[in-house]
Amino acid sequence: DAGVIQSPRHEVTEMGQEVTLRCKPISGHDYLFWYRQTMMRGLELLIYFNNNVPIDDSGMPEDRFSAKMPNASFSTLKIQPSEPRDSAVYFCASSLQVNSPLHFGNGTRLTVT
Amino acid sequence: RKEVEQDPGPFNVPEGATVAFNCTYSNSASQSFFWYRQDCRKEPKLLMSVYSSGNEDGRFTAQLNRASQYISLLIRDSKLSDSATYLCVVNRAGGYQKVTFGTGTKLQVIP
Repeated sequence: DAGVIQSPRHEVTEMGQEVTLRCKPISGHDYLFWYRQTMMRGLELLIYFNNNVPIDDSGMPEDRFSAKMPNASFSTLKIQPSEPRDSAVYFCASSLQVNSPLHFGNGTRLTVT
Repeated sequence: RKEVEQDPGPFNVPEGATVAFNCTYSNSASQSFFWYRQDCRKEPKLLMSVYSSGNEDGRFTAQLNRASQYISLLIRDSKLSDSATYLCVVNRAGGYQKVTFGTGTKLQVIP
């Protein structure tokens, strides 16, 4: 079975540019999560969706970040404009139902120069 | 107080040793618990769920102590391939789900 699929694997961009990260969750999973990981802060939850509806976006740093889930098989995380402090690994994860374990994609390593 | 706390380590242990990690959580309403393993520059991967009665998977044993609000992971007969960062995960569901990861404990198994 295909796991969670993220793209791109690596993204290098200049400050001020728009960045879009993509995620395809495991089919049938009701929950989708976006996390950011840095050495300083570890894994931080940015936002999660249940049945395509955003439930908790309290972890989204600021208005520059937005996330959408137009259907059950696709989600995007957009940063506009990007800043060097956004450099991190962004993970998408999905889970079958509440209290189920999360399954992670390979992550997108973002570098903003 | 952090919602989930782990000793960051590193734990440097010789091959064949037994090593244990603890993870404490602050919210007594937490409902499900997991241990994940993360290798350098890779995504976290589920190692095992943690059940109230404790559970074992080969060399790995996980336990939950609700009274003291901690979970533990015991690794017996450590292998070089066990070297990784181990993350505990606490899930609290209610009005909405809240999944919190610990910052991880780094394990280095030495030949």
